[in-house]
Amino acid sequence: EPEVTQTPSHQVTQMGQEVILRCVPISNHLYFYWYRQILGQKVEFLVSFYNNEISEKSEIFDDQFSVERPDGSNFTLKIRSTKLEDSAMYFCACSASWDTQYFGPGTRLTVL
Amino acid sequence: AQKITQTQPGMFVQEKEAVTLDCTYDTSDPSYGLFWYKQPSSGEMIFLIYQGSYDQQNATEGRYSLNFQKARKSANLVISASQLGDSAMYFCAMRVISSGSARQLTFGSGTQLTVLP
Repeated sequence: EPEVTQTPSHQVTQMGQEVILRCVPISNHLYFYWYRQILGQKVEFLVSFYNNEISEKSEIFDDQFSVERPDGSNFTLKIRSTKLEDSAMYFCACSASWDTQYFGPGTRLTVL
Repeated sequence: AQKITQTQPGMFVQEKEAVTLDCTYDTSDPSYGLFWYKQPSSGEMIFLIYQGSYDQQNATEGRYSLNFQKARKSANLVISASQLGDSAMYFCAMRVISSGSARQLTFGSGTQLTVLP
């Protein structure tokens, strides 16, 4: 069964450093998303991406964040200058159309 | 704006019993989809079941069924014959499907289910 993969599974970084979280969505899916979940809290939408551009973004997705689909298979989330409050689990998700979104296993980001 | 409410932060159920996890939602859009995801302690988000707002019948997927009551705006998840492996956090989520809207999911705060042997 096709699945979404994410790397790394855990990333530790110093405050102010840049991080890139990587995702390989299901191959025939066209819509891509990033969500985050701060420990013990609900899952929050960050951004959606379709046809090589951002479809929508939340208030959380400020200028420190960017997304890219560099090579037709990978989908990345970059945080330019990490803050302590960026520590969270980051989930990539994808969908074929407007239906079910399938999530990756997540990347746990720890900012020290 | 859409909102999902899960009022049960924690639930316990005896193995082999059925359990209902509550979810209420709020939206003014007529077209929407409701989802349930399972998050085990390992952290991944596993899709369980989907219900469309215009679906005439309640969705079922194996031991999972969705008790959809549109007038009450509720979409409760029923797990039959609970197993120890069902112990996890369960999230209810919604997205609107009306034209021009985003595809983002709005999540509830989750219910931690513990299945007792």
